[in-house]
Amino acid sequence: EDQVTQSPEALRLQEGESSSLNCSYTVSGLRGLFWYRQDPGKGPEFLFTLYSAGEEKEKERLKATLTKKESFLHITAPKPEDSATYLCAVVMTTDSWGKLQFGAGTQVVVTP
Amino acid sequence: DTGVSQDPRHKITKRGQNVTFRCDPISEHNRLYWYRQTLGQGPEFLTYFQNEAQLEKSRLLSDRFSAERPKGSFSTLEIQRTEQGDSAMYLCATSNTGGRGRGTGELFFGEGSRLTVL
Repeated sequence: EDQVTQSPEALRLQEGESSSLNCSYTVSGLRGLFWYRQDPGKGPEFLFTLYSAGEEKEKERLKATLTKKESFLHITAPKPEDSATYLCAVVMTTDSWGKLQFGAGTQVVVTP
Repeated sequence: DTGVSQDPRHKITKRGQNVTFRCDPISEHNRLYWYRQTLGQGPEFLTYFQNEAQLEKSRLLSDRFSAERPKGSFSTLEIQRTEQGDSAMYLCATSNTGGRGRGTGELFFGEGSRLTVL
């Protein structure tokens, strides 16, 4: 069965304390893996797309990496404004680009 | 504001009533998606349109759910005879296929319509 599993479920960080979020996936064929950020009461906001193992993408304090079985989202020296739920999603080769299969997310809280 | 707009933002209804949600997409986007999200979970795909054609529906979309996108512009999602299990955030998202060979998976989400069924 195709699955997307994120860990940990929740993460509390001090400002400046770097950490990583994990997204493991078991799908029959991966078309792309995506990271989104979601603030409370809002819709998800696109961060990155990764297409193949070994690929990396960066944006400000965030860096996403991809292997054949998992992806990591590294948060370097986080600030309180990085507090959000981070969602990982995959699209399978048999599906169209917009049909995302999401994990349950990791809720990140960054305290000053 | 040129983002995806959803209305209403909140809807409280009694079990058995019908509700309708509207989504206005980013104007140049030809694909429109509906997702459902319950508390503590990621969004789940419901259905999508390319222009006015509904191309796919999830098994999650029971016969009580119907979606339309007349003229390929705004879309509506109607739930008939609501049940307490329908309580969720209903998210609309849009994208532009752009004619490129490789998509990006970048969906632009609206802020959602939260449904509470009493």
